[in-house]
Amino acid sequence: DAGVIQSPRHEVTEMGQEVTLRCKPISGHNSLFWYRQTMMRGLELLIYFNNNVPIDDSGMPEDRFSAKMPNASFSTLKIQPSEPRDSAVYFCASSPLSEAFFGQGTRLTVV
Amino acid sequence: DQQVKQNSPSLSVQEGRISILNCDYTNSMFDYFLWYKKYPAEGPTFLISISSIKDKNEDGRFTVFLNKSAKHLSLHIVPSQPGDSAVYFCAAIRPGNTPLVFGKGTRLSVIA
Repeated sequence: DAGVIQSPRHEVTEMGQEVTLRCKPISGHNSLFWYRQTMMRGLELLIYFNNNVPIDDSGMPEDRFSAKMPNASFSTLKIQPSEPRDSAVYFCASSPLSEAFFGQGTRLTVV
Repeated sequence: DQQVKQNSPSLSVQEGRISILNCDYTNSMFDYFLWYKKYPAEGPTFLISISSIKDKNEDGRFTVFLNKSAKHLSLHIVPSQPGDSAVYFCAAIRPGNTPLVFGKGTRLSVIA
C-alpha cells in the first residue's frame, strides 16, 4: 500500500478563495482524521470519521470549514472563504484501530 | 484545554548521550500512549507505544516509561544520534475507536 495520500502537497491561494484538500486513506482502515499543525497549537484534531460517518467535528474552527467522506477511499476538507489565519499544514491520517498513519500533509498558504 | 502537554518546546543533546522527552496528560480515561516522530516536510510517523497496563516498553534505542499515578510518560533515546533530530509528538487515546490527542511537540536536536 502507498500509505495515506494527500493532494496537493502545497497550495497558495488568495484570501477569499475556496480551497479543497484531498485525502486517500489506507485501504481497510475504518477511521479517518483531519489534523492541522501550527506553531501555536501543535497538532490539533479538526474532524474524524468512522466508517465514512463524521463522528466529531467540534475541532473545526468555523463554518468556513467543511469535510466530507463520500466513500471509504476518499475524503475532502474544504475552506470557503479562506483567510490568512488558515495558513498551516493540514494532515490526513487513517487508522485501523489505535495507531494512526499520516499522509505527508498539505502546506496551505493564504495570502 | 490541553489534555496532553509537552512542556519543553525544544531540547538539545550531544551525540551519544541520552535524550529524555517528557509528556504529561490530564485525562484519566486515556489507556494507550504513543510517540510519533516528525521530520520537516513529512507527516508524523509512529515510533513506539505503551499500554496503560504496562510501565515500560523498549524497542532498540527507544524506551517509553509510563507513570500512571503521576499521569506522566517519557521517551528515552540512548544513545542519541544526529538522525534522531526531529519533532517528537506525544499522543494519547481513550478506549474505543477514538482519535489520538496530541501534545504540541518537542523539537530534539542531536549535536554531533
